[in-house]
Amino acid sequence: KAGVTQTPRYLIKTRGQQVTLSCSPISGHRSVSWYQQTPGQGLQFLFEYFSETQRNKGNFPGRFSGRQFSNSRSEMNVSTLELGDSALYLCASREGRDQPQHFGDGTRLSIL
Amino acid sequence: AQSVAQPEDQVNVAEGNPLTVKCTYSVSGNPYLFWYVQYPNRGLQFLLKYITGDNLVKGSYGFEAEFNKSQTSFHLKKPSALVSDSALYFCAVRDKTDKLIFGTGTRLQVFP
Repeated sequence: KAGVTQTPRYLIKTRGQQVTLSCSPISGHRSVSWYQQTPGQGLQFLFEYFSETQRNKGNFPGRFSGRQFSNSRSEMNVSTLELGDSALYLCASREGRDQPQHFGDGTRLSIL
Repeated sequence: AQSVAQPEDQVNVAEGNPLTVKCTYSVSGNPYLFWYVQYPNRGLQFLLKYITGDNLVKGSYGFEAEFNKSQTSFHLKKPSALVSDSALYFCAVRDKTDKLIFGTGTRLQVFP
């Protein structure tokens, strides 16, 4: 099976812009989670989607949003970008509640 | 609140020697624990998990972890380290809302 695919791998934006990141989960996985990884804050949970519904949400401002489509693919949107949004954004999918999450290679977002 | 601590920022070990990467946790209820590894410019790779059962869990690439309830620890071990094991290792616990809480990571450096 193909792994979790995230596009694009690298992205450069300027402050105030918005960005959309994409994630295709492993085939058959209906749960998709997003994480932000920074040197200062480490790995932080953003949200989780299951069957097109947000099931869980981390402690991030409303500028961070996401959605999931009927084929389980997910997108994450960040509006009004700030310098502090520079990070590696990781997507993960899992088959079931007791199964491990499998991660993509991430999208590295740089804000100038 | 659920939390995970990785007390060592870096662990250095000679190739062929055993390695241990430490993790302690704080949870209410039964812990669901995970170890992941991250190589440069890559996402997280799942190594092993503990949900219930034997305290010694065997995982990928020769890694294992020992669950110790009395010491609230879940240390990662490998009998003989390889240079290719050099990477960033994360311990994680699943909290009561079903999201993963990660430790700050431990950089493992294996010297030839």
